[in-house]
Amino acid sequence: QQQVKQSPQSLIVQKGGISIINCAYENTAFDYFPWYQQFPGKGPALLIAIRPDVSEKKEGRFTISFNKSAKQFSLHIMDSQPGDSATYFCAATPRDTGRRALTFGSGTRLQVQP
Amino acid sequence: NAGVMQNPRHLVRRRGQEARLRCSPMKGHSHVYWYRQLPEEGLKFMVYLQKENIIDESGMPKERFSAEFPKEGPSILRIQQVVRGDSAAYFCASSLDRSEAFFGQGTRLTVV
Repeated sequence: QQQVKQSPQSLIVQKGGISIINCAYENTAFDYFPWYQQFPGKGPALLIAIRPDVSEKKEGRFTISFNKSAKQFSLHIMDSQPGDSATYFCAATPRDTGRRALTFGSGTRLQVQP
Repeated sequence: NAGVMQNPRHLVRRRGQEARLRCSPMKGHSHVYWYRQLPEEGLKFMVYLQKENIIDESGMPKERFSAEFPKEGPSILRIQQVVRGDSAAYFCASSLDRSEAFFGQGTRLTVV
């Protein structure tokens, strides 16, 4: 019930295209959904996050879409650039019950071709 | 304000030795989390600590692994009698109360 399923495992997009990564969860106690970007040899860096009271959040070229009834959320990267090439992880964490750790998806390796 | 500092960045240990991984949280952060990342996989939660207290250790293996976050000094993740399966990247994150967590660069442990 703690699992977060992420797809696709890898993604190749042309420069200027839209990258879309999807995640689904089961635990209805989750109420915070961040996305992390990780470059090789580096730690994950928070990219953008959403709470279930909104259906969409946009920050620059990055947009999270959230579907509470379907228990799904996705990351859209508009005008994808070669510098966006990295591994992206979705994550979720429940309401503060003392267990506040993040549950991560398995990751999507994005390659943006010039 | 320095970020989350982890050391060493790379650690090589022979089977049966002990590994000690250190994490200094961001200034003012009293919540520390440890995660393990196996090659080509996502991060798996291990333990959540506040100063001098273990809040949630549900992700820690039952044996050989321990963690502490003393009143003074960094948080330590200790792995006794390491085995090849312990080879992974170990990440520490810190947060201020209920805010977002910031990750360190990780320690890459290789057991030979």
